[in-house]
Amino acid sequence: KAGVTQTPRYLIKTRGQQVTLSCSPISGHRSVSWYQQTPGQGLQFLFEYFSETQRNKGNFPGRFSGRQFSNSRSEMNVSTLELGDSALYLCASSLVGSRYEQYFGPGTRLTVT
Amino acid sequence: DQQVKQNSPSLSVQEGRISILNCDYTNSMFDYFLWYKKYPAEGPTFLISISSIKDKNEDGRFTVFLNKSAKHLSLHIVPSQPGDSAVYFCAAIYNNNDMRFGAGTRLTVKP
Repeated sequence: KAGVTQTPRYLIKTRGQQVTLSCSPISGHRSVSWYQQTPGQGLQFLFEYFSETQRNKGNFPGRFSGRQFSNSRSEMNVSTLELGDSALYLCASSLVGSRYEQYFGPGTRLTVT
Repeated sequence: DQQVKQNSPSLSVQEGRISILNCDYTNSMFDYFLWYKKYPAEGPTFLISISSIKDKNEDGRFTVFLNKSAKHLSLHIVPSQPGDSAVYFCAAIYNNNDMRFGAGTRLTVKP
């Protein structure tokens, strides 16, 4: 079974631009969660989508948004990029949103200059 | 808010010895704890977990200990192997909804 895939793997953007990251979950998984990983902060939860609906949301500004499609693929969008948005963005999928069994993708490394 | 803390950013251990990674948490409502391992250029992978009703869970070379009164979690790796070199994250869950991660500890196992 193929794992969680994320595209692109690396991205360089400039301040003020916007970016869209993509995540394809494991086949059959309906829940996709997004996390931001920065040095010293660990993984911080952004949001979770289940059956095309945002089910949970972390403490991030409205510039961070996401959506999920009917095939469970998910996209995350960050508008008006700031230098502090430079991070590794990870998505994780699970069957029905169980936090106990999440499978992570390799992440997208976003650098904002 | 750092509800889950890993105070040691790095740890270096000799091959064959024990590695002990520590994690502290502040929210007594957490009812499940997990450890993830992360290699460079890969996503975190699940390693071992423990429910709050237990104080120890063992899986091969990996053992997780939970001290609820101290709100402290530790991962023991015995014996440590060079392939164990990675970043280890602890995570805590409340009600299968709220999940918090520590900042990670980079373990280096020297041959």
